[in-house]
Amino acid sequence: DAGVIQSPRHEVTEMGQEVTLRCKPISGHNSLFWYRQTMMRGLELLIYFNNNVPIDDSGMPEDRFSAKMPNASFSTLKIQPSEPRDSAVYFCASSYRDSREQYFGPGTRLTVT
Amino acid sequence: GNSVTQMEGPVTLSEEAFLTINCTYTATGYPSLFWYVQYPGEGLQLLLKATKADDKGSNKGFEATYRKETTSFHLEKGSVQVSDSAVYFCALRDQGAQKLVFGQGTRLTINP
Repeated sequence: DAGVIQSPRHEVTEMGQEVTLRCKPISGHNSLFWYRQTMMRGLELLIYFNNNVPIDDSGMPEDRFSAKMPNASFSTLKIQPSEPRDSAVYFCASSYRDSREQYFGPGTRLTVT
Repeated sequence: GNSVTQMEGPVTLSEEAFLTINCTYTATGYPSLFWYVQYPGEGLQLLLKATKADDKGSNKGFEATYRKETTSFHLEKGSVQVSDSAVYFCALRDQGAQKLVFGQGTRLTINP
């Protein structure tokens, strides 16, 4: 089992640029979660999907953020345009819908200059 | 709303010391409770969990007991090792919900 795969692991970009983060959940899992981790705010849930359908996006900070899950094995989190305050570690996690355990990927460290 | 409060870090201990990291929660229903651990440069891993009052979760020498009367889920280990150095997160998941609510995390450093 390869676990949750995220790419890239590190991203450095300039303010105003578009950033796309990618996630491949564990095969067979039907729920996917995007989190953001910062020193100031800790770990925040941005959005989650069940069976590729967005269920709760109330944690998405603003319209600059969007997330998609076109199929069961792939999801993207896009920031356009990016701003320095978006600098954080972004985690993807997956689970079986009825399971209490979420499996986290290694994260993408985003730096916006 | 639901929330989790952890003892502030960082916590620094010597090897073989006793560890306690406090966690208290606020929830409207009957949540499940979790401890996650994050090693440097990695994602979070589930360390242990408890799903109802008086349950004790345990793993790798760590233990935590779900105390409904004090709304607490304190993490303990009798003898810590250098390899336990990490950030520890307490979290809850409300009954019937999928969302995890995390505490702010406690950084633990164990010195040899």
